Amino acid sequence: NAGVTQTPKFRILKIGQSMTLQCTQDMNHNYMYWYRQDPGMGLKLIYYSVGAGITDKGEVPNGYNVSRSTTEDFPLRLELAAPSQTSVYFCASSRTRENTEAFFGQGTRLTVV
Amino acid sequence: AQKITQTQPGMFVQEKEAVTLDCTYDTSDQSYGLFWYKQPSSGEMIFLIYQGSYDEQNATEGRYSLNFQKARKSANLVISASQLGDSAMYFCAMREGRRVTGGGNKLTFGTGTQLKVEL
Repeated sequence: NAGVTQTPKFRILKIGQSMTLQCTQDMNHNYMYWYRQDPGMGLKLIYYSVGAGITDKGEVPNGYNVSRSTTEDFPLRLELAAPSQTSVYFCASSRTRENTEAFFGQGTRLTVV
Repeated sequence: AQKITQTQPGMFVQEKEAVTLDCTYDTSDQSYGLFWYKQPSSGEMIFLIYQGSYDEQNATEGRYSLNFQKARKSANLVISASQLGDSAMYFCAMREGRRVTGGGNKLTFGTGTQLKVEL
């Protein structure tokens, strides 16, 4: 079972560069999420999607963009990377029912220098 | 105000002992869910246990149990018979109902408790 797959696992970006973090899930979940985890902190929601073609902002969306063209894929785009975006990024997915847990990918460790 | 508060940055426990990790939450919603996740040093997020706001019984999953006190708005995780492999960061998270969040089953996380199990 693949579950939620994120690529890449590690990346170093220079200030001002752009990149896309890839996320795909094979559980046919409608809901998908992007979180970031800063050192010593909990996870904060960047963007989420309740289905293909529908996305919405979370708590910390500035500097990011997302798209959801298929149920399986939910890429996160960083434009003009800044040191403040150095973090670990987690993609997650869940079923529609509210009492079900979210399944997380392995995370992407991003450093902006 | 923080919605999820974990006041213990770090905890130590002896192997085979029980340990309680504290979590308090704040919500105006009547319908919500509480989750605990484990994050080992390898970094992945592992789901442990879930408690719904309307569940009358405390949730249990193997060695994990959730001490849910609704009036106090607390959802403490109890790990019985601690093992060395339990050493990890533990996060409490809450999912509020559609009336508060507009839907999407979004989770709000606490800052975590680092648990170290000692011989």
